[in-house]
Amino acid sequence: GENVEQHPSTLSVQEGDSAVIKCTYSDSASNYFPWYKQELGKRPQLIIDIRSNVGEKKDQRIAVTLNKTAKHFSLHITETQPEDSAVYFCAAYDTGTASKLTFGTGTRLQVTL
Amino acid sequence: SAVISQKPSRDICQRGTSLTIQCQVDSQVTMMFWYRQQPGQSLTLIATANQGSEATYESGFVIDKFPISRPNLTFSTLTVSNLSPEDSSIYLCSVENRGGTNEKLFFGSGTQLSVL
Repeated sequence: GENVEQHPSTLSVQEGDSAVIKCTYSDSASNYFPWYKQELGKRPQLIIDIRSNVGEKKDQRIAVTLNKTAKHFSLHITETQPEDSAVYFCAAYDTGTASKLTFGTGTRLQVTL
Repeated sequence: SAVISQKPSRDICQRGTSLTIQCQVDSQVTMMFWYRQQPGQSLTLIATANQGSEATYESGFVIDKFPISRPNLTFSTLTVSNLSPEDSSIYLCSVENRGGTNEKLFFGSGTQLSVL
């Protein structure tokens, strides 16, 4: 089955700096890679996703890159703000066979003033 | 995006009792998923619920402990039975919309379960 590793587990950055979270996956059949943001006491919210036919996707201050050969993908947040503080989860999914969405272990991002 | 109503939002239960969590979606969806998120942990899939067939359970989860119903394409329930303090977690239902290219996974608001 799929195995997703996520690093770092905690990340502290100053407001305005960039944050990068990295994930690796094991199943080469995985072709959809969403990122979720979970604020304390709330449900995970999809913030960006990328499919295997794309190498990079950007949405304002958030970008995701995918390297299928190396089986790793990363979340980049630029110009971080205090409201970016949350736990971020990466995940991998095989949309072809509708297998389960496997989550990484999460990264607690703290943006300090 | 699908709108998912999950209830209860939280509950405190006694050891040995059961809790049934309901998940209602505002549109018909093929697959519904139930996840558990233990305190400070990631999300772990409990089972996949398809309408008209038995749920498919992941390793470590069994039907006797987590019976699931999926009576139609907009509704599902998860029961956590014979509760113990180790079952204290957030339980989340999730739906997948495989229509066209909109293959997104959305989560309900979650049920915070505390077992005394």
